[in-house]
Amino acid sequence: DAGVIQSPRHEVTEMGQEVTLRCKPISGHNSLFWYRQTMMRGLELLIYFNNNVPIDDSGMPEDRFSAKMPNASFSTLKIQPSEPRDSAVYFCASSFRTSPNSNQPQHFGDGTRLSIL
Amino acid sequence: TQLLEQSPQFLSIQEGENLTVYCNSSSVFSSLQWYRQEPGEGPVLLVTVVTGGEVKKLKRLTFQFGDARKDSSLHITAAQTGDTGLYLCAGRNSSASKIIFGSGTRLSIRP
Repeated sequence: DAGVIQSPRHEVTEMGQEVTLRCKPISGHNSLFWYRQTMMRGLELLIYFNNNVPIDDSGMPEDRFSAKMPNASFSTLKIQPSEPRDSAVYFCASSFRTSPNSNQPQHFGDGTRLSIL
Repeated sequence: TQLLEQSPQFLSIQEGENLTVYCNSSSVFSSLQWYRQEPGEGPVLLVTVVTGGEVKKLKRLTFQFGDARKDSSLHITAAQTGDTGLYLCAGRNSSASKIIFGSGTRLSIRP
């Protein structure tokens, strides 16, 4: 079975450019999560969707960050304009939640390593 | 703000030794999960514990949830080089539908 698929795996771009990260969750999963991981701050939840609807975006650092989930099989995280401090590994994860507090595992993609010069 | 502190941050031991890593918080969690992350990959779930005092075993790995559901430990017996990785605990409280990840323990097993 295909897991969570993220693209690109690596992106290097200059500050000020727009960056778009893509995620295809596992088929049948109804929750999707975007995380950012750095050595200093660890793994931080940015936003999550349930049934394609954003539920909690309190982790989105600034208005420069936006996320969409137009359908159950695709999500994007966009940074515009990008800054060097946005450099991190960005993970997408999906799960199948039967209730708000269900303990179903989150399945992570392999991440996008983003470097902003 | 709920925080999950993991200790130690880094641990390097010889193959065959035993080790324990800890996950602590001042908050109560309804459940706690442990993940392992290898370089270049995303975290992978190892176990979920939901009952205070619960102990779960996964081959050489033993996970325990504290009686008060504020802390957890992971014990590895006879560590192997394949155990190398970043170990993350993640907690969920009863009122939240999202989980919070700990700061992680980076484990290195030397052959």
